[in-house]
Amino acid sequence: QSALTQPPSASGSPGQSVTIPCTGTSSDVGGYEYVSWYQVRPGKAPKLIIFDVNKRPSGVPDRFSGSKSGNTASLTVSGLQSEDEADYYCLSYTNNINLVFGGGTKVTVL
Amino acid sequence: QVLLQESGPGLVKPSDTLSLTCTVSGGFTNNAYYWGWIRQPPGKGPEWLGSMVHTGNTYYNPSLRSRVSISIDKSKNQVSLQLTSVTAADTAVYYCAKMMLRWYFDLWGRGTLVTVSS
Repeated sequence: QSALTQPPSASGSPGQSVTIPCTGTSSDVGGYEYVSWYQVRPGKAPKLIIFDVNKRPSGVPDRFSGSKSGNTASLTVSGLQSEDEADYYCLSYTNNINLVFGGGTKVTVL
Repeated sequence: QVLLQESGPGLVKPSDTLSLTCTVSGGFTNNAYYWGWIRQPPGKGPEWLGSMVHTGNTYYNPSLRSRVSISIDKSKNQVSLQLTSVTAADTAVYYCAKMMLRWYFDLWGRGTLVTVSS
């Protein structure tokens, strides 16, 4: 199973928005509503920020939103803040009870 | 509040078995919890290794199924991982995580680096 495709980097100024695409196939992203997103900062435990394509766990700011169109899921961070600088990874369920991650996107707040 | 802490040797020799433990504090007694192991090699994206659900059923990454095993010791509040016949390609940060029914991980440990080298 190939990893989902994410751009290696994305950036924006404080207050701006950044959108990270996560492209898969009809066997994973396109076939199921089981897409989640994780924020990883150095030395910290990964943090769930979106599940079921577009749901936010309690405590995650509404600046974070998720969506999906066809085989591509997207994470949008609106109103960028310095603490949003991190690596972001998507995860999708796939056929035959398997899970596949994206390669990750490093978000830089300029 | 549930907390997860991975532990185990930081250095494993090629062809040996990698064994890690995840100690769960603050809520393991909920039998409806599911658990998973994920690893991230240096400079690469994460890779799901496998998950165990409360019924005892296990699900493994097909590419690793022949080498990976996950088990739970409820008496010790621990989730364990074993990966056999390791090579340098198994060098990674290994994470344990609490998994929800709809295939996402809502709580993670900080991870532990395991290096495979002679």
